[in-house]
Amino acid sequence: AQRVTQPEKLLSVFKGAPVELKCNYSYSGSPELFWYVQYSRQRLQLLLRHISRESIKGFTADLNKGETSFHLKKPFAQEEDSAMYYCALRDTGTASKLTFGTGTRLQVTL
Amino acid sequence: DTGVSQNPRHKITKRGQNVTFRCDPISEHNRLYWYRQTLGQGPEFLTYFQNEAQLEKSRLLSDRFSAERPKGSFSTLEIQRTEQGDSAMYLCASSVWGANEQFFGPGTRLTVL
Repeated sequence: AQRVTQPEKLLSVFKGAPVELKCNYSYSGSPELFWYVQYSRQRLQLLLRHISRESIKGFTADLNKGETSFHLKKPFAQEEDSAMYYCALRDTGTASKLTFGTGTRLQVTL
Repeated sequence: DTGVSQNPRHKITKRGQNVTFRCDPISEHNRLYWYRQTLGQGPEFLTYFQNEAQLEKSRLLSDRFSAERPKGSFSTLEIQRTEQGDSAMYLCASSVWGANEQFFGPGTRLTVL
């Protein structure tokens, strides 16, 4: 069975500090990993995906198959980064449902 | 607004009543997904359609739950004989087959009294 673990419910950092949101997964097949974000009063939206190897809003995430991790990082947190972040996994074969972690709330304070 | 839409946005019902939610996906998106999210949890997969065919159902989807997508466009999710444990946010998402991104709707918040 596929599983995504986000160990922190809340991460509070100061503006300008580095951010790392942890995500670990368990899956026997070949997974695709995603980070979704939900800003206050907005719908869930895709932030980035491991396949693209892109940086969005200063965030990056590297898939580490050895450690089965997909941590989300940003060198300098901004106030507008405050949101709920969900790590999600999808099977590359069926390319269907997403399995989400429980989410981490990032709070950036002055 | 050309995004995924869901109606109603909020529903309060009494235990034992039936409720139906509607999801309108983005035009030309042939895949449509339903998820359920309870407090403190991430979204959990319920079922998905490719066009009008329901391809997968989660074990979370008990016999009281039924979903349809009759013409391959909008979808409905019905819950019969609601229970307090059904209280949750019901999310709909759509995508193009083969694409990485699922686009989510705003959700329908169900409260069962």
